Amino acid sequence: DGGITQSPKYLFRKEGQNVTLSCEQNLNHDAMYWYRQDPGQGLRLIYYSQIVNDFQKGDIAEGYSVSREKKESFPLTVTSAQKNPTAFYLCASSLGGEETQHFGDGTRLSIL
Amino acid sequence: AQSVTQPDIHITVSEGASLELRCNYSYGATPYLFWYVQSPGQGLQLLLKYFSGDTLVQGIKGFEAEFKRSQSSFNLRKPSVHWSDAAEYFCAVGATTDSWGKFQFGAGTQVVVTP
Repeated sequence: DGGITQSPKYLFRKEGQNVTLSCEQNLNHDAMYWYRQDPGQGLRLIYYSQIVNDFQKGDIAEGYSVSREKKESFPLTVTSAQKNPTAFYLCASSLGGEETQHFGDGTRLSIL
Repeated sequence: AQSVTQPDIHITVSEGASLELRCNYSYGATPYLFWYVQSPGQGLQLLLKYFSGDTLVQGIKGFEAEFKRSQSSFNLRKPSVHWSDAAEYFCAVGATTDSWGKFQFGAGTQVVVTP
C-alpha cells in the first residue's frame, strides 16, 4: 500500500542537540511538507518542497532545516537553535500544491 | 492571505445524535476547502474536499459538508454520530495561486461522543 512513513514515533532531545525526523513516501508525489502541531493551535507549516532539490520556508522555519535529495524523502532536522521543540510533527505529501495533502502518523518530540 | 476559523473548540454529542462542525474562511475568491479528522497520536485523514461544482460534498464515514459562498462557510455534518467519531476535526483552506502548497488549518474542534 502507498503511504507516508514517519520515524521514529517518539523522539527525545537533549539540550544543545540536533535531531532528525524521517519522512518517506511511496506515493510518487512531487510535493512534501512538514508541519508542527501544538495543542489548540492547529497545524503550522515549517518547510515545504515542490520538487527534488528545492524547498521553501514556511511560517515557522526558524530553528529547523530540511533537505530534499530524493523524491521519496524529506527529512527534518530540529536544531539546537529551536528553543521550544516539544511538539507533534507531521509530514505530508501531495501531487501538486493545489492537491489534497496526505499525512503520515507523526513524530512526537520531547525534551529530556 | 487566506485564514480559517473553527469557532467551536470542543463539542460533546450523544451517540446517535446529529453533529455539525462550523468552519469559516477568509479569502477573496473561492478557495479549495478540506475537512480532515485526527485520532489521538495519529496523522490527519481526509474526510472530504471541495474544489468546485456541487456545493454539497459527500465524504467518507457518512460525513458531508456544504460550501456557502455568501457566508464564507464550509460546515461539516453527520446525521447520526457513532462512538468511533470521537476525534479532532480540522478544516483547511487549500493552496491558491498566490500561496502554492500553503494550506491554512483551523485550530480544530474536539468531538466527544457520550453513550
